[in-house]
Amino acid sequence: KAGVTQTPRYLIKTRGQQVTLSCSPISGHRSVSWYQQTPGQGLQFLFEYFSETQRNKGNFPGRFSGRQFSNSRSEMNVSTLELGDSALYLCASTVRGAGGQTQYFGPGTRLLVL
Amino acid sequence: EDQVTQSPEALRLQEGESSSLNCSYTVSGLRGLFWYRQDPGKGPEFLFTLYSAGEEKEKERLKATLTKKESFLHITAPKPEDSATYLCAVQAETGANNLFFGTGTRLTVIP
Repeated sequence: KAGVTQTPRYLIKTRGQQVTLSCSPISGHRSVSWYQQTPGQGLQFLFEYFSETQRNKGNFPGRFSGRQFSNSRSEMNVSTLELGDSALYLCASTVRGAGGQTQYFGPGTRLLVL
Repeated sequence: EDQVTQSPEALRLQEGESSSLNCSYTVSGLRGLFWYRQDPGKGPEFLFTLYSAGEEKEKERLKATLTKKESFLHITAPKPEDSATYLCAVQAETGANNLFFGTGTRLTVIP
């Protein structure tokens, strides 16, 4: 089974621009979560989508938004980019089993804001 | 408030020198505790999930254990390829599925 894929892998933007990142979960997984990883804050939860609905949201400003499509692919958008938005953005696909659930991460999109 | 503290921040071991990484947590009801390995420039790779105190899981040279307040990741006879950042995360019983991560332990194994 293919893993979680994220595109693009690298992005360079300037302050004030907006950016859209894409994530395709593992086939058959309907839950997608997004995280931001920075050296200072570590991994922080952005939001989770399940069956095209946002189910949970972390403590990030409204400039960060997302959506999920009927094929479970998800996008996240950051508007009016700030220097502090430079980070590795990770997408995770959740599988639920008898013992609980596990999140499998993609390789991430490295965003640099200049 | 959920909190995860990992120690040490960095650890250097000689090849074959066993050690343990610590993850202390505070959460309003633990649904699960997760260990991940992350190599530079890559996404976290799932290692283990632990659900209740006393539970242990093993994979190759790694063994994870869980108590009511902390988890340990024991590394036995490490090899250079075990060098990575090890992340601990908790999931609360609140119903939300998000993981709350610690800042990780950066492990370097010297040949």
